[in-house]
Amino acid sequence: DGGITQSPKYLFRKEGQNVTLSCEQNLNHDAMYWYRQDPGQGLRLIYYSQIVNDFQKGDIAEGYSVSREKKESFPLTVTSAQKNPTAFYLCASRTDRYSNQPQHFGDGTRLSIL
Amino acid sequence: AQTVTQSQPEMSVQEAETVTLSCTYDTSENNYYLFWYKQPPSRQMILVIRQEAYKQQNATENRFSVNFQKAAKSFSLKISDSQLGDTAMYFCAFAAETSGSRLTFGEGTQLTVNP
Repeated sequence: DGGITQSPKYLFRKEGQNVTLSCEQNLNHDAMYWYRQDPGQGLRLIYYSQIVNDFQKGDIAEGYSVSREKKESFPLTVTSAQKNPTAFYLCASRTDRYSNQPQHFGDGTRLSIL
Repeated sequence: AQTVTQSQPEMSVQEAETVTLSCTYDTSENNYYLFWYKQPPSRQMILVIRQEAYKQQNATENRFSVNFQKAAKSFSLKISDSQLGDTAMYFCAFAAETSGSRLTFGEGTQLTVNP
């Protein structure tokens, strides 16, 4: 079945460590997005990519990095510069950035600090 | 920049009754889309309904309908015949083509359907 796969489901980070969250989609979607959700709050955009080898910062990009080397994959690295990384991270994708098509979401990764 | 405001942090409704969730937004865009997403305890984000700003007719999806007031920048969600499975956090979201259709979310309304 087509969909978006995020892994791992749970991730723990030590002080000073970089960690990478995986997001893979087999929907042939052009655009991909990373959001962060803190408890009791809405989602905030970290980075997004509308096409391979191109991406743009969202509202809270500091301390994060991404790459888009393949259409299917949009990994997010949480660097040691992100001082408060504990949150729920959601990846989404969307077809045809010039249409009204909605974003489809993965099941999320919960990141915690050890 | 766009902003989305949901002024009701929590709401409750009895099973089989109707409930309306409020959402207002602010934008200078002309072409945009509005969405309601549902997030149950599993934390999946599930699309409930969407509305194109250029359409005057309000969107409906089975028991879910919206009241879209473009001039007032209001986009409320009505749930009819509420069911226990409707218990979830509901998010209103805005997207404009000029900004890569990135979603701007409200802070959510926690809806509880009581038996």
